[in-house]
Amino acid sequence: KQEVTQIPAALSVPEGENLVLNCSFTDSAIYNLQWFRQDPGKGLTSLLLIQSSQREQTSGRLNASLDKSSGRSTLYIAASQPGDSATYLCAVFGNEKLTFGTGTRLTIIP
Amino acid sequence: DVKVTQSSRYLVKRTGEKVFLECVQDMDHENMFWYRQDPGLGLRLIYFSYDVKMKEKGDIPEGYSVSREKKERFSLILESASTNQTSMYLCATRKRGTGLETQYFGPGTRLLVL
Repeated sequence: KQEVTQIPAALSVPEGENLVLNCSFTDSAIYNLQWFRQDPGKGLTSLLLIQSSQREQTSGRLNASLDKSSGRSTLYIAASQPGDSATYLCAVFGNEKLTFGTGTRLTIIP
Repeated sequence: DVKVTQSSRYLVKRTGEKVFLECVQDMDHENMFWYRQDPGLGLRLIYFSYDVKMKEKGDIPEGYSVSREKKERFSLILESASTNQTSMYLCATRKRGTGLETQYFGPGTRLLVL
């Protein structure tokens, strides 16, 4: 059974810093990995999707990497802003469904 | 623009009531999903559907059922609500394909069972 882990559960950093969020998964037989953002009390918004054959994907200040063989992904956020404060979840897609991590709650301190 | 709507943002029900949560999408996606989200447990898949009138159990289907009579609508039913079903419920959709498609989420329904 696929298990997805995100450490740390919470992270606070000063505005302007670069930061990295981590995600690990136990079964490397995946089709893709997605990073989502969730604001308090809201649904999830997809940020990036990395196909299993890709190593990284970029969107603006966000860069996600995937190392399928080691079961790891990172989400790099450059020049963080207070508006980046949210919970970030990673999810791996296999067997027609997504398995989610429990998320990292990110707070950017102005 | 992609749109997934859920019938209620907040719902308060009593133990033993039958509860209906509805999800509607306008993207003509084949796949639809119901999750619940609880602190420390993350999102857990309750049921999903590949097509009209089709349904598959997810990881935690006990105490729930679903209905998909039309492609755009996927309903989650709590046959007899219990306090341990107090949670945030999230609906999602995805186009059937090669596994490279993004999953889109609704805004969620926060259910309180008293």
